[in-house]
Amino acid sequence: QQQVKQSPQSLIVQKGGISIINCAYENTAFDYFPWYQQFPGKGPALLIAIRPDVSEKKEGRFTISFNKSAKQFSLHIMDSQPGDSATYFCAASILGSARQLTFGSGTQLTVLP
Amino acid sequence: SAVISQKPSRDICQRGTSLTIQCQVDSQVTMMFWYRQQPGQSLTLIATANQGSEATYESGFVIDKFPISRPNLTFSTLTVSNMSPEDSSIYLCSGSGAIWGSYNEQFFGPGTRLTVL
Repeated sequence: QQQVKQSPQSLIVQKGGISIINCAYENTAFDYFPWYQQFPGKGPALLIAIRPDVSEKKEGRFTISFNKSAKQFSLHIMDSQPGDSATYFCAASILGSARQLTFGSGTQLTVLP
Repeated sequence: SAVISQKPSRDICQRGTSLTIQCQVDSQVTMMFWYRQQPGQSLTLIATANQGSEATYESGFVIDKFPISRPNLTFSTLTVSNMSPEDSSIYLCSGSGAIWGSYNEQFFGPGTRLTVL
């Protein structure tokens, strides 16, 4: 099963709040989990990525939490800002494969000023 | 990180015609991919562009409709052939496996917005 399920479809957060986006996968062969941020009219930009040998990775205001046993991972955006308003995609791939990414369905985040 | 450019950035085409999209990476990459993204939707992989050999297509995509070339490690083209309005979409090129980053990091171009009338 190659699917990656992402939720919620849309999210509205007040400025300064925490945005949380969740993803779940079935294929236990997945071992690389990136998050992409996409602004309207632009290509997706790599935000942060994690491998399953760690449970958490933090870069600035962005944190990935990874639960290998539950086959779930999530993106937390602390102190959310209006400039974070974008569509966020989780993805997964298999190291040693053709580096093909399987994308989640996307979450449209709106941060209110 | 690499910079990936695409040409054209957008185009409006007539039904039955073909359009070739160019993708240029500013450094050599092992892998290049082509995706399609409907507005407001997720990305769907069309094919992996293999240097010096035929592209590898995903289920639902065929070479006659989407011929791909990759003459070297920095350049690829995707042709959308015999277009119909259903081909209206955003086409994205990506690259990974560059010496400057993790093998799995994949970077995307800005996309080509295609409208077929």
